Amino acid sequence: GENVEQHPSTLSVQEGDSAVIKCTYSDSASNYFPWYKQELGKRPQLIIDIRSNVGEKKDQRIAVTLNKTAKHFSLHITETQPEDSAVYFCAASVNGNKLVFGAGTILRVKS
Amino acid sequence: DAGVIQSPRHEVTEMGQEVTLRCKPISGHDYLFWYRQTMMRGLELLIYFNNNVPIDDSGMPEDRFSAKMPNASFSTLKIQPSEPRDSAVYFCASSRQNEQFFGPGTRLTVL
Repeated sequence: GENVEQHPSTLSVQEGDSAVIKCTYSDSASNYFPWYKQELGKRPQLIIDIRSNVGEKKDQRIAVTLNKTAKHFSLHITETQPEDSAVYFCAASVNGNKLVFGAGTILRVKS
Repeated sequence: DAGVIQSPRHEVTEMGQEVTLRCKPISGHDYLFWYRQTMMRGLELLIYFNNNVPIDDSGMPEDRFSAKMPNASFSTLKIQPSEPRDSAVYFCASSRQNEQFFGPGTRLTVL
């Protein structure tokens, strides 16, 4: 079955700097890759997703890139703010429904 | 829309007791998912339904776990008998087109 690896496990950046989180997946049939943000004690919430027919997608300060050949995708957050501090999870899916999540990245934005 | 509703929010029980977690998905969503989140194992999909029918229960850890969806607006996850290693946060999520909306979760503690 699908296996998703996520790096780094923790990431500290200064406010205003960029943050990059990387994920690799094993199943070449996966075609849907969402990213979720989970604040402490809260529920995961979708922040951006990408499908395999697209190489990059942007939404304001957040972007995701996908390399199907290498089977990896990345989350880029620019101009980080303290409110970006949270745990970020990547996921991969073959059918758009059964999500396999990475282990998560704790992002700390220091002001 | 109230979002995905879960009850109870917190449950403390003793080993061997039956535990029932409840979920009301967002109206109009035809997919419902049950997840378990722990520090050790991360966010794991237990089972998901489409139009009230279980599609994939390969994530259900053992026969002590069962899930039902008797109608489009209600689902239960039951653990019988419960064990201390079942302690976790259990999330229910629903979707219509890929984006999964998570409920607030039930924090289960089995003593």
